[in-house]
Amino acid sequence: EVQLVQSGAEVKKPGESLKISCKGSGYSFTSYWIGWVRQMPGKGLEWMGIIYPGDSDTRYSPSFQGQVTISADKSISTAYLQWSSLKASDTAMYYCAREAGDSSSWYVDYWGQGTLVTVSS
Amino acid sequence: QTVVTQEPSLTVSPGGTVTLTCASSTGAVTSGYYPNWFQQKPGQAPRALIYSTSNKHSWTPARFSGSLLGGKAALTLSGVQPEDEAEYYCLLYYGGAQLNWVFGGGTKLTVL
Repeated sequence: EVQLVQSGAEVKKPGESLKISCKGSGYSFTSYWIGWVRQMPGKGLEWMGIIYPGDSDTRYSPSFQGQVTISADKSISTAYLQWSSLKASDTAMYYCAREAGDSSSWYVDYWGQGTLVTVSS
Repeated sequence: QTVVTQEPSLTVSPGGTVTLTCASSTGAVTSGYYPNWFQQKPGQAPRALIYSTSNKHSWTPARFSGSLLGGKAALTLSGVQPEDEAEYYCLLYYGGAQLNWVFGGGTKLTVL
């Protein structure tokens, strides 16, 4: 069974750093992209970026470039999303999702349960 | 800044049919945007329904279908059930060096 299990909720202060995780199981972790999606309170979904754990190829949405860092450790089938200095506006639910495709088809299928990040002084 | 537009809200009666659409600020949506559709209920993670315009995942109910309609991606629900009340999001692929994807703003579907 394919599963993406994310780390637990976090409460942080502005200026602090944070790294959240997404562990894949039930499939070949290095053969699929992992994307990260933000959902601010009461708002829609925003695609942040994507990583291919097989070779760590990473791409960012222009809106999130320089704001976050996406990484992966294929030895433990885990992808990460990290911030070096959190802002109150980073308060949101963050989801990871599995993605795959080729020249004829692209899809996003399995999702993690989400990690709620709250940034408040 | 690329914008993907969906109807903010739609209402449908149980057993009825409704079509949700997804438009791109860059022009007509084609199969090359690989439209994906997702359902999200309150307090839950999104669930994938349709990929690459019209393909269903193994868990997608038969009453959901995807297509291209008048330059937009479309999601049609036929024989709507009360449990279909949810927020629906489309996702379009804009490619480029960043493999950029953009979500639509979502459609709140009410079954009444």
